[in-house]
Amino acid sequence: QVQLVESGGGVVQPGRSLRLSCAASGFTFSSYAMHWVRQAPGKGLEWVAIISNDGSKKYSPDSVKGRFTISRDNSKNTLYLQMNSLRAEDTAVYYCARDHRPFYVWGSYRNCFDYWGQGTLVTVSS
Amino acid sequence: DIQMTQSPSTLSASVGDRVTITCRASQSISSWLAWYQQKPGKAPKLLIYKASSLESGVPSRFSGSGSGTEFTLTISSLQPDDFATYYCQQYNSPWTFGQGTKVEIK
Repeated sequence: QVQLVESGGGVVQPGRSLRLSCAASGFTFSSYAMHWVRQAPGKGLEWVAIISNDGSKKYSPDSVKGRFTISRDNSKNTLYLQMNSLRAEDTAVYYCARDHRPFYVWGSYRNCFDYWGQGTLVTVSS
Repeated sequence: DIQMTQSPSTLSASVGDRVTITCRASQSISSWLAWYQQKPGKAPKLLIYKASSLESGVPSRFSGSGSGTEFTLTISSLQPDDFATYYCQQYNSPWTFGQGTKVEIK
């Protein structure tokens, strides 16, 4: 069965960096675009980044652009999120999520997210 | 960015009730809308995609409708397991979510 397991969260000071990982199993990882989505405590969901199935294309919203970098290693079935220059407002549970269909057509946005990990909490605080 | 607005923010209902949640988009998104259920401390679960298609394994008491800018999620007969927060998500452009609707016990 499909499993996504995040790790790497923790408490970090403002301005510092953190790298999250998401280990995937139970499906052909290299066929699916992948996403990171975050949820601040008691708040709603915010999409953070997408990466194409082969890792060649990436996109993220302005709120994290230039600070967060999504990447993947298909040989290890693992997705990453490198977070730099962290701010208090980045405090959230971070989820990795799989595209609903394989071989996402880049720029179409025509996929929702069918499997999610359990999330990893990132707390940015001095 | 396309803004998604859900109503109500909180809904009090009893087991067996018919429940309807509304989601409005700030511009037309055709039928590119999904609904998720989230329980406390858990990840969201996909219920409905493309506005009205039921995800595999999701009970048939859940249904979705709408197109353009107005959408609804209906639970035909609320069950104890359905008390949760529900989010809509548009995927016509970079993904955005509604603010959530909490369905609580009346």
